[in-house]
Amino acid sequence: AQSVTQPDIHITVSEGASLELRCNYSYGATPYLFWYVQSPGQGLQLLLKYFSGDTLVQGIKGFEAEFKRSQSSFNLRKPSVHWSDAAEYFCAVGPSGSARQLTFGSGTQLTVLP
Amino acid sequence: ETGVTQSPTHLIKTRGQQVTLRCSSQSGHNTVSWYQQALGQGPQFIFQYYREEENGRGNFPPRFSGLQFPNYSSELNVNALELDDSALYLCASSLPATDRYTFGSGTRLTVV
Repeated sequence: AQSVTQPDIHITVSEGASLELRCNYSYGATPYLFWYVQSPGQGLQLLLKYFSGDTLVQGIKGFEAEFKRSQSSFNLRKPSVHWSDAAEYFCAVGPSGSARQLTFGSGTQLTVLP
Repeated sequence: ETGVTQSPTHLIKTRGQQVTLRCSSQSGHNTVSWYQQALGQGPQFIFQYYREEENGRGNFPPRFSGLQFPNYSSELNVNALELDDSALYLCASSLPATDRYTFGSGTRLTVV
């Protein structure tokens, strides 16, 4: 069975500081990996996805993520956080070849201090 | 992204009642998935519809059912509501042969 673990429930960073959100997955085959962001009262917005190829993936809003197969990780990074990045972030894994039946982690709530 | 509309945005139901949640997708989005997101949790996959037929189901009982219509709208029906059904229900749709889902803003269901 596939699973996703986001070890950090809540992270607080200062505006302008760098950010790394951790994601570990368990999946028996080649996974499709995703990062979504959810602002209060909103649905999920796709930040980036990894299917194959270059293990460093660029996304929207200046985010990037690195796929490390040996560590079963897909950590999200941003070099300089903006106050508008405060939101909840979800890592998800899907079966190879499809984004259906995504399995999500429990999320990491990001607070940005001025 | 815009394009997926869910209604209503909020509703309150009594335990044992039935509820229908609606999702209106963009034209051409013939794949729709429904997710349940309990407070403080990540979304959990309920089921997916493709061309008006169920195309995959998560670990949810049969009292959770769905419909998809030719006009790219869909419904999630929940019978015999339980307190634990209180959650945000998200609809996500996509174009054929793509892996880019557009999520709606969800319906917040409270069961009392």
